[in-house]
Amino acid sequence: KNEVEQSPQNLTAQEGEFITINCSYSVGISALHWLQQHPGGGIVSLFMLSSGKKKHGRLIATINIQEKHSSLHITASHPRDSAVYICAVSGTGTASKLTFGTGTRLQVTL
Amino acid sequence: NAGVMQNPRHLVRRRGQEARLRCSPMKGHSHVYWYRQLPEEGLKFMVYLQKENIIDESGMPKERFSAEFPKEGPSILRIQQVVRGDSAAYFCASSPPEGRNSPLHFGNGTRLTVT
Repeated sequence: KNEVEQSPQNLTAQEGEFITINCSYSVGISALHWLQQHPGGGIVSLFMLSSGKKKHGRLIATINIQEKHSSLHITASHPRDSAVYICAVSGTGTASKLTFGTGTRLQVTL
Repeated sequence: NAGVMQNPRHLVRRRGQEARLRCSPMKGHSHVYWYRQLPEEGLKFMVYLQKENIIDESGMPKERFSAEFPKEGPSILRIQQVVRGDSAAYFCASSPPEGRNSPLHFGNGTRLTVT
């Protein structure tokens, strides 16, 4: 079993839909990261959080430390949101040595 | 105010050649991380370096792979005698020296193809 599990693996949505991507982890962490990767492109850090909730534009990330679970929400989705969204955790050891989920491939259509 | 710069973006090597991947961290960042993304797989940690020091290389293959981050110049990930299984995207990330759990800034990656 992977230390970081994401669901769903693939997600197709229509423009305007509310999207939720889930991440569960099984190890102690100091922080959880949400990353975005476009096809053939680099990786952008969206959020780093260790408790509660963060919001940036149409993106919202929440974390429940007790349940070892995080969600990434996208409101009013748009085709430009199409990308792979990756959940990663920093363990309690080496700073920022991340363990990654396998990613959720999101396709937003018109 | 450049971000993390990786070069080359694409690198093609024949089996048995050497591959050198470069990473210049963001200005003011002294921590560098290398990650590998194999085709159709998730990202995996390889090595964590600070200036002139390897802090954690637990994700590095024991043979053929080495990394350095000299006092001056970029961090280098070196793969000797490449094999087809080394074909992957290699990402570098950097963070500031404030301590653990600083946000990471990623480069655009180097895509290595071994023929």
